[in-house]
Amino acid sequence: QQPVQSPQAVILREGEDAVINCSSSKALYSVHWYRQKHGEAPVFLMILLKGGEQKGHEKISASFNEKKQQSSLYLTASQLSYSGTYFCGTVATGTASKLTFGTGTRLQVTL
Amino acid sequence: GAVVSQHPSRVICKSGTSVKIECRSLDFQATTMFWYRQFPKKSLMLMATSNEGSKATYEQGVEKDKFLINHASLTLSTLTVTSAHPEDSSFYICSARINTEAFFGQGTRLTVV
Repeated sequence: QQPVQSPQAVILREGEDAVINCSSSKALYSVHWYRQKHGEAPVFLMILLKGGEQKGHEKISASFNEKKQQSSLYLTASQLSYSGTYFCGTVATGTASKLTFGTGTRLQVTL
Repeated sequence: GAVVSQHPSRVICKSGTSVKIECRSLDFQATTMFWYRQFPKKSLMLMATSNEGSKATYEQGVEKDKFLINHASLTLSTLTVTSAHPEDSSFYICSARINTEAFFGQGTRLTVV
């Protein structure tokens, strides 16, 4: 089953913050986050591994709660370049690295 | 960094013909590659896992005879859409992994007319 993301879509003004959630029904080994622009392949943002870690670079960070099988992506002080569709990708425990993408969250940053 | 190259980026074909899409790992060897399909405004759906030197593993609901996968070398996997129909029109993306990180090809936009 596909991980469920929320919200489905969000519109921000430049400089505002956003949180995107990813929830899985399966026990997870890792969570990946990607951003995809229209007509392009997904671009890797970060990986969080089993162990409940939190990662970040610049103004984008993420957390992974393996007990709840959830991950959240935090976008702070959003920029116009952050616009796109965000996908979480999950690797369930024991699935031989098969990456399953979430339902997606469309983010639009405006002036 | 690791690069995955996918070709062609766009293809238009007539109904009933077959189309081959290539996915190459340019600076690393990939014993496993993944093929995804994406409809407009939808998520990427895993179609199959391509294994070098053995048969591909298809996800439930994906027709093996329709979507032929060949992984003949450690750097090349191909997806052939056979007897294509308009409903096969989609964005197809391949991926290869190095440890925990996935690298994606540029994607192929297939339009069947």
